[in-house]
Amino acid sequence: DIQMTQSPSSLSASVGDRVTITCRASQTISDYLNWYQGKPGKAPKLLIYAASRLHTGVPSRFSGSGSGTDFALTISSLQAEDFATYFCQESYTSFYTFGPGTKVDIK
Amino acid sequence: EVQLVESGGDLIRPGGSLRLSCAASGFSVISNYMSWVRQAPGKGLEWVSLIFTDGETQYADSVKGRFTISRDNSKNMLYLQMNSLRVDDTAIYYCAKIGVGASMPFDDWGQGTLVTVSS
Repeated sequence: DIQMTQSPSSLSASVGDRVTITCRASQTISDYLNWYQGKPGKAPKLLIYAASRLHTGVPSRFSGSGSGTDFALTISSLQAEDFATYFCQESYTSFYTFGPGTKVDIK
Repeated sequence: EVQLVESGGDLIRPGGSLRLSCAASGFSVISNYMSWVRQAPGKGLEWVSLIFTDGETQYADSVKGRFTISRDNSKNMLYLQMNSLRVDDTAIYYCAKIGVGASMPFDDWGQGTLVTVSS
């Protein structure tokens, strides 16, 4: 099974900050890596798919990078609505393992 | 517009059974891979089960042998039959549509339905 790890597990940031979250797969997954945003009481939302492709309607301040085993999600200028938990997910296998999440809260 | 609406969540005793439903609109469940994902209180997302377009199914080890995913093409519904429920099955259960193309992400999600397993 592929294991997914994320770092940091949480971070505090201010509006306007540049934020980067990393995700690592236990084996190579090419670019089969997706990022989601989760907020309490709401359905998770797809942000980035195939490591770097922006999903329809997602603001361009979100970007993804990486391939193989190491990936990153960057928010170029954090907005108030971006305080949430972010999850990576591998889709290299049909077991679709999620990372443990990174909680972004207000400093 | 794609919509997914889950129902069927409830408070259930350990060892009990429950069937979750997911009503889909704006697309056909037979034309996409469909999945169930859960989130336990204060925890992250956990993939639970998948049904392929050919009807084949797949399960996480934590639910294999206890949960069954199915669909009704005529009603455009997805289901999750959950048997032998355990306290650690307590979670919000989401159904999700899996997109086609690059990396096949979960591109549409329902709002979720809460399952609480407790005596």
